[in-house]
Amino acid sequence: QKEVEQNSGPLSVPEGAIASLNCTYSDRGSQSFFWYRQYSGKSPELIMSIYSNGDKEDGRFTAQLNKASQYVSLLIRDSQPSDSATYLCAVRPPAAAGNKLTFGGGTRVLVKP
Amino acid sequence: DTAVSQTPKYLVTQMGNDKSIKCEQNLGHDTMYWYKQDSKKFLKIMFSYNNKELIINETVPNRFSPKSPDKAHLNLHINSLELGDSAVYFCASSQGSGGLSRDTQYFGPGTRLTVL
Repeated sequence: QKEVEQNSGPLSVPEGAIASLNCTYSDRGSQSFFWYRQYSGKSPELIMSIYSNGDKEDGRFTAQLNKASQYVSLLIRDSQPSDSATYLCAVRPPAAAGNKLTFGGGTRVLVKP
Repeated sequence: DTAVSQTPKYLVTQMGNDKSIKCEQNLGHDTMYWYKQDSKKFLKIMFSYNNKELIINETVPNRFSPKSPDKAHLNLHINSLELGDSAVYFCASSQGSGGLSRDTQYFGPGTRLTVL
């Protein structure tokens, strides 16, 4: 079982709709969770971080964390064509030396006008 | 006002050659990282340095040798390049080295290495 799993997609959503991305992780003691956006040919860019169970909203983005079920999700409301990218879920395992992050394989999102 | 920069952006070389990639950050961060992203887009950590000290050394062939002359620079030297080394290499930095669970990592633009 991979440590951090994501559906590779592509997740195709119409413009203006909600895109829902999921990520599951294997290490139950993980404490820190991040969503990065990566445009094709570019570097990962942090869009959300979440540390406590529940929802965290930032503009059109909402991260949801459920540690009991070991999943973290990202909702993108009012999706725009500019949201088309690969979204990487990253998890910091417990007692990870040196701030090590484990990344999922990413979910490709396509927002169609 | 580039935060994390890497050179070169593209690197095309023959098998067996030795090459280096340079990374610099002007964020005043203490910790720097090297990641490898393969063709399937998996991003995997290779090394991390905190204040010039190696703190993460994943299972990476010893042909890869990081060097940190100071906390703002982390270079990656690769000996005897192989076809499988072709990938995008990202440098990243963060304020600390994990004592705080909230250390955010910021990535450089990447170096696309192609080994022929």
